[in-house]
Amino acid sequence: GAVVSQHPSWVICKSGTSVKIECRSLDFQATTMFWYRQFPKQSLMLMATSNEGSKATYEQGVEKDKFLINHASLTLSTLTVTSAHPEDSSFYICSARDPSGSYEQYFGPGTRLTVT
Amino acid sequence: RKEVEQDPGPFNVPEGATVAFNCTYSNSASQSFFWYRQDCRKEPKLLMSVYSSGNEDGRFTAQLNRASQYISLLIRDSKLSDSATYLCVVGVSNDYKLSFGAGTTVTVRA
Repeated sequence: GAVVSQHPSWVICKSGTSVKIECRSLDFQATTMFWYRQFPKQSLMLMATSNEGSKATYEQGVEKDKFLINHASLTLSTLTVTSAHPEDSSFYICSARDPSGSYEQYFGPGTRLTVT
Repeated sequence: RKEVEQDPGPFNVPEGATVAFNCTYSNSASQSFFWYRQDCRKEPKLLMSVYSSGNEDGRFTAQLNRASQYISLLIRDSKLSDSATYLCVVGVSNDYKLSFGAGTTVTVRA
């Protein structure tokens, strides 16, 4: 089956620094990837849609200058949290759209970010 | 109004019991429906897609009622390993985005 990896699985950083999270599709090409954020006991909230070779589409209320997304190849999308603050601490999950064209998405294992 | 709403539970059931719960969705143009399972501090994993005719996968049965805009999941003969949060997920738009419910927590006790 389709496998998506994320790196790192967890990261602790100081306030004001930037953190880059990588999302890779391991055995298929992903033209579309999605980035989500999940706070404790809450639902996954879509942050942005990442399309290979083009600019990401951000959801309302998500600052594109703070959450930089790059989808430079068919197997890699990156999310950079710039000037992180404690309120950015969350579980960040990426997913890749099913290459067969269905709505199904394959999720990475997530990255737990803690900003101190 | 949230796009997908679920009873958060928790549903605490003994092993072997049957447990069922629903979710409702607000957009009548929704096209795809799924149940995902999420364990604590892990990513969601697809449990099953939900089809208009209803479908079954082992001990799990999913139903879709388009007229009333709700989806249900029934778990028969609950196992301890069924303890998890079950996410109701709906695909609406032509850009293949998914909307997630906040999840229903199920705890199966010995």
